[in-house]
Amino acid sequence: GENVEQHPSTLSVQEGDSAVIKCTYSDSASNYFPWYKQELGKGPQLIIDIRSNVGEKKDQRIAVTLNKTAKHFSLHITETQPEDSAVYFCAASKENAGNMLTFGGGTRLMVKP
Amino acid sequence: DAGVTQSPTHLIKTRGQQVTLRCSPKSGHDTVSWYQQALGQGPQFIFQYYEEEERQRGNFPDRFSGHQFPNYSSELNVNALLLGDSALYLCASSLVAGELLFGSGTQLSVL
Repeated sequence: GENVEQHPSTLSVQEGDSAVIKCTYSDSASNYFPWYKQELGKGPQLIIDIRSNVGEKKDQRIAVTLNKTAKHFSLHITETQPEDSAVYFCAASKENAGNMLTFGGGTRLMVKP
Repeated sequence: DAGVTQSPTHLIKTRGQQVTLRCSPKSGHDTVSWYQQALGQGPQFIFQYYEEEERQRGNFPDRFSGHQFPNYSSELNVNALLLGDSALYLCASSLVAGELLFGSGTQLSVL
């Protein structure tokens, strides 16, 4: 089955700096890659996703890049703010598998004011 | 719209007992998926229900079972609880193959 590796496990940045989180996946048939933000006591919230027919997607301060050949994808957060502090998860799935997501282990992002 | 609602929020059980967790999907959603999230780890897929049937299942034993009702709400049942079943159980609703919307979860502690 699919295996998703995520790193780093923790990331500390100064407010205003950029943060990058990287994931690799094993199943070349995977074609949908969402990113989730999870705050304490809450469920994961989708922040951005990308499908395998594009290489990059941007939404304000957040961007995701995908390299299908290397089977890795990354989350980029620019101009970080204290409210960006949370645990971030990458995930992968095959669209013909419905919503069966395989998650990475998570990255705890701390943005210091 | 209340989004995805899960109950209870917290639960304490003893080894060997049985537990039932409940989920009400977002209005308009017809598919419910269940995930288990152990402390410090990413969520793991348990199973998905659509049209009152289990459509997909992850690598979980038969002690984990579920049900979906005609109003699309769902239950997760776990029999013969083990200490290792202690986790946050997340319900997510969607349209079939659509974007997942997660609830806040039920924190289960097995003593």
